[in-house]
Amino acid sequence: QVQLQESGPGLVKPSETLSLTCTVSGGSISPYYWSWIRQPPGKGLEWLGYIYYSGTTNYNPSLKSRVTISVNMSKNQFSLKLSSVTAADTAVYYCARHISSSWYVESWGQGTLVTVSS
Amino acid sequence: DIVMTQSPDSLAVSLGERATINCKSSQTVLYSSNNKNYLAWYQQKPAQPPKLLIYWASTRQYGVPDRFSGSGSGTDFTLTISSLQAEDVAVYYCQQYHSTPLTFGQGTKVEI
Repeated sequence: QVQLQESGPGLVKPSETLSLTCTVSGGSISPYYWSWIRQPPGKGLEWLGYIYYSGTTNYNPSLKSRVTISVNMSKNQFSLKLSSVTAADTAVYYCARHISSSWYVESWGQGTLVTVSS
Repeated sequence: DIVMTQSPDSLAVSLGERATINCKSSQTVLYSSNNKNYLAWYQQKPAQPPKLLIYWASTRQYGVPDRFSGSGSGTDFTLTISSLQAEDVAVYYCQQYHSTPLTFGQGTKVEI
């Protein structure tokens, strides 16, 4: 069974770039779609964007100018960069897998809390 | 963007009783070409990631108990827990995957 594990700094300063990596084990990056989804403390879920194993991306327009998702097939990883962060970006960040182009989330990582604070 | 609105925001149900959660989308999530509703339901317990319960509006994910069922079409959907168990206490979310950006409902908290 596939397992997803997020990693990266738990604290980021305002105006800096948040960087997270999702490592996929028990399965291959291909031929799936992979997303980043976040959840501010006590709030609901927000989709940030997805990447296909080939590198095709699709971002949430509300964040489009700040979000970059990339894939590293040799390491079975994909990554998130979110630039110019503010306190509003404080959230639990989840990496997730979709089955083909049916974009319901079939597998989730455990999530990692990223706090934006000076 | 397709806005997903759930009701109620929270509900309290006795053990063994039925729980019903509604989800309404601002646009249809039914593709007429394949007659499929692009709607999923998730369960989230405290300090855990969401867990997929239902996709295609009514298809139960492997391993999900059959007391969970999904129904509806177009813009109006329902998640039903036929006989609430203690382990079903959680927040439930609907999600549309008809079009991007993928969007979720605000969540419904189910308590006993």
